[in-house]
Amino acid sequence: DTGVSQDPRHKITKRGQNVTFRCDPISEHNRLYWYRQTLGQGPEFLTYFQNEAQLEKSRLLSDRFSAERPKGSFSTLEIQRTEQGDSAMYLCASSLGGGPAFFGQGTRLTVV
Amino acid sequence: GESVGLHLPTLSVQEGDNSIINCAYSNSASDYFIWYKQESGKGPQFIIDIRSNMDKRQGQRVTVLLNKTVKHLSLQIAATQPGDSAVYFCAENWAYSGGGADGLTFGKGTHLIIQP
Repeated sequence: DTGVSQDPRHKITKRGQNVTFRCDPISEHNRLYWYRQTLGQGPEFLTYFQNEAQLEKSRLLSDRFSAERPKGSFSTLEIQRTEQGDSAMYLCASSLGGGPAFFGQGTRLTVV
Repeated sequence: GESVGLHLPTLSVQEGDNSIINCAYSNSASDYFIWYKQESGKGPQFIIDIRSNMDKRQGQRVTVLLNKTVKHLSLQIAATQPGDSAVYFCAENWAYSGGGADGLTFGKGTHLIIQP
């Protein structure tokens, strides 16, 4: 499978715990995006990397959220001190230059 | 406010009929648009895209129409099949609108239901 891969697919965590998600983009894609999607809504942009540089962060990305893409390949999204409001589907996408973004299957986070 | 939206939350069509899903956008400077299909529990799947220098683009059973005058986008699906049942999102790429950052703004989506 050469698509965008996300791990884990599902995560249940207790409020206050830290969680980390991983995204492996399509191999030749230089751009990587993180989005968040809640039930009944479209995905909302969180942050964007071009190679290893994080070029943009949404106001949705509070200081409890941090994303990295250390070698310009895979990326991680960490949420510290999770809150119930963080429960959502976290989507990763990648693109080559200004082409269309292709999404992974997402990580569904449930904070209890 | 929301930059991209859809006119109908749910659209029900008979199998074999054509479907038209509409989308309005508000940023007149945006010049790249994408339609995605999302099935329950899955990530959005790319269907077709269009840039603002085009009015129409066709794919396999799908056509996207762009009317920049009224800032309207539509997705036409020919001869709908049960597998077309999903939520469809239009997305506006604001990388090309002079904002200086890259990303997509999505609407809420239209749930397409195919009746047998």
